[in-house]
Amino acid sequence: EPEVTQTPSHQVTQMGQEVILRCVPISNHLYFYWYRQILGQKVEFLVSFYNNEISEKSEIFDDQFSVERPDGSNFTLKIRSTKLEDSAMYFCASSDPGVRDEKLFFGSGTQLSVL
Amino acid sequence: QKEVEQNSGPLSVPEGAIASLNCTYSDRGSQSFFWYRQYSGKSPELIMSIYSNGDKEDGRFTAQLNKASQYVSLLIRDSQPSDSATYLCAVIEGYGGSQGNLIFGKGTKLSVKP
Repeated sequence: EPEVTQTPSHQVTQMGQEVILRCVPISNHLYFYWYRQILGQKVEFLVSFYNNEISEKSEIFDDQFSVERPDGSNFTLKIRSTKLEDSAMYFCASSDPGVRDEKLFFGSGTQLSVL
Repeated sequence: QKEVEQNSGPLSVPEGAIASLNCTYSDRGSQSFFWYRQYSGKSPELIMSIYSNGDKEDGRFTAQLNKASQYVSLLIRDSQPSDSATYLCAVIEGYGGSQGNLIFGKGTKLSVKP
């Protein structure tokens, strides 16, 4: 079965540093998403991306965050100046809008630790 | 603030029993509802979606929706130890809300004892 792949699986960074989390969505999918889950808390929506632009974003997705689809396969989340509270598991997801059930396929996640 | 509420559990059932998981949501305009399973340290995996009032069955799983009561439930029949996981209820907010903009509950941890 096709899958969403995320790299790296773990990322450790110092507070104030920039990080880029990478994702390769399923090839024929058109919608891409980033979610995050702080340890022991809810999975939270960050941003959705369609047709090379952000279609929706949450309050969490402030100016420190950006997303990009630099080529035909990768989808990245950049955090410009990381804070301790950015420590979380970040999940990328993709979906095919032509399929009923709006099924999101999640990647295995990147565990970000900000020290 | 739109909310999805779940009892965090843990819910413990013996193998072979029916597990019943419940969820309430605050946005009366929501139209799409989902149950995800999340094993510890893993990503969420969709197990059921439901859009209309009533029941929807898929194998050992039955989702139930009552929009008037703003209530969604998941029944797991013949529970197996491999069903032990956290079950996340998720809702797309508002009528015509963007696909994939899911609001998740905190999840109910289910433990199935052999």
